[in-house]
Amino acid sequence: GAGVSQSPRYKVAKRGQDVALRCDPISGHVSLFWYQQALGQGPEFLTYFQNEAQLDKSGLPSDRFFAERPEGSVSTLKIQRTQQEDSAVYLCASSSRGHAPGELFFGEGSRLTVL
Amino acid sequence: QQQVKQSPQSLIVQKGGISIINCAYENTAFDYFPWYQQFPGKGPALLIAIRPDVSEKKEGRFTISFNKSAKQFSLHIMDSQPGDSATYFCAAGAGSYQLTFGKGTKLSVIP
Repeated sequence: GAGVSQSPRYKVAKRGQDVALRCDPISGHVSLFWYQQALGQGPEFLTYFQNEAQLDKSGLPSDRFFAERPEGSVSTLKIQRTQQEDSAVYLCASSSRGHAPGELFFGEGSRLTVL
Repeated sequence: QQQVKQSPQSLIVQKGGISIINCAYENTAFDYFPWYQQFPGKGPALLIAIRPDVSEKKEGRFTISFNKSAKQFSLHIMDSQPGDSATYFCAAGAGSYQLTFGKGTKLSVIP
């Protein structure tokens, strides 16, 4: 596709449910990032993949958060036993070596609401 | 610890005016300073970026000014237009691709 695609765009979960958020990066982009954006705040780094390798997961808030990119393309962010504080927009971004550091291409995000 | 401080939180400018957004950082290892523009319901999109070896970069109506000694940088939008109404985020990166974002400035340009 032309851009980063994320699904679902909107997800409502009951507290305690598990959710999975999907990211389809721009074809050929080696780097993939997940960011969390709370209402009225800037994006906050969660994790970074280079191909299938998860090189940095320092931003994941707890062990309930898990991300994978098994074939170096599509990535899934999984949140187990969701809590109300997990409500946010989860942004996926991709980039390639041909771009300047910090030049990320973001998807439109998945808005998670935990009731 | 907020590593990138952005101000103001919101800004109202008349059409044709100059919009100015300021950011300050603490980590001297930062070596890349992009600005992102975000419209409601959309992801952030790169607007313009600067490295610390230059003091100013201009692209069309958008200019970044960078003061390395003060650890500050700012975005100037000249001849602001209603279509510029969006939330603007400054960010900073250090070597790796990870970015630290400011909290954002909501800009409203009124006709």
